[in-house]
Amino acid sequence: GIQVEQSPPDLILQEGANSTLRCNFSDSVNNLQWFHQNPWGQLINLFYIPSGTKQNGRLSATTVATERYSLLYISSSQTTDSGVYFCAVEKTSYDKVIFGPGTSLSVIP
Amino acid sequence: EAQVTQNPRYLITVTGKKLTVTCSQNMNHEYMSWYRQDPGLGLRQIYYSMNVEVTDKGDVPEGYKVSRKEKRNFPLILESPSPNQTSLYFCASMPGQDTYEQYFGPGTRLTVT
Repeated sequence: GIQVEQSPPDLILQEGANSTLRCNFSDSVNNLQWFHQNPWGQLINLFYIPSGTKQNGRLSATTVATERYSLLYISSSQTTDSGVYFCAVEKTSYDKVIFGPGTSLSVIP
Repeated sequence: EAQVTQNPRYLITVTGKKLTVTCSQNMNHEYMSWYRQDPGLGLRQIYYSMNVEVTDKGDVPEGYKVSRKEKRNFPLILESPSPNQTSLYFCASMPGQDTYEQYFGPGTRLTVT
């Protein structure tokens, strides 16, 4: 099956700093999403991005499907950005969903 | 409000006592799914359903059953829970029809003693 890797596994940032999180996947995929799990455990959609670039406020994401990776950019980080960031992929639509292991982000004041 | 709801949110039970975790969505989504989240193992898919009466196994289906009799509901059944099913469980739904964003419920923390 598809393998999904995320890097770095852990990240500590000073408030206001920028960061880039990476998701690599071992096979072509039809669907890719980024999620944020906040410290209370809630999973929140960030981006549905099987290819191309999207932006939402301080967050943006880019997926290069041909090279099998996706990047999540967080700019001007805030303490509320803390939590775990997951990417999840599906090889074909309505198929099994495979999550990456996540990147744990701590933003300190 | 568009949402995925799960009940109960927290449950402590004993080995072997059958239980059901309910999941409901009010968005008319076609696709629904169950995941478990464990420290060090991440999120793993248990079962998913592409539509009413259509279900399929995810990566960790052993010890679980599901049914999809109505579009809005997708209960997770543990016929004989064991301590290794202690976990945080999430239900999710996705619109389908060429829209593939998943929306997650708040989670159910299950402890089996």
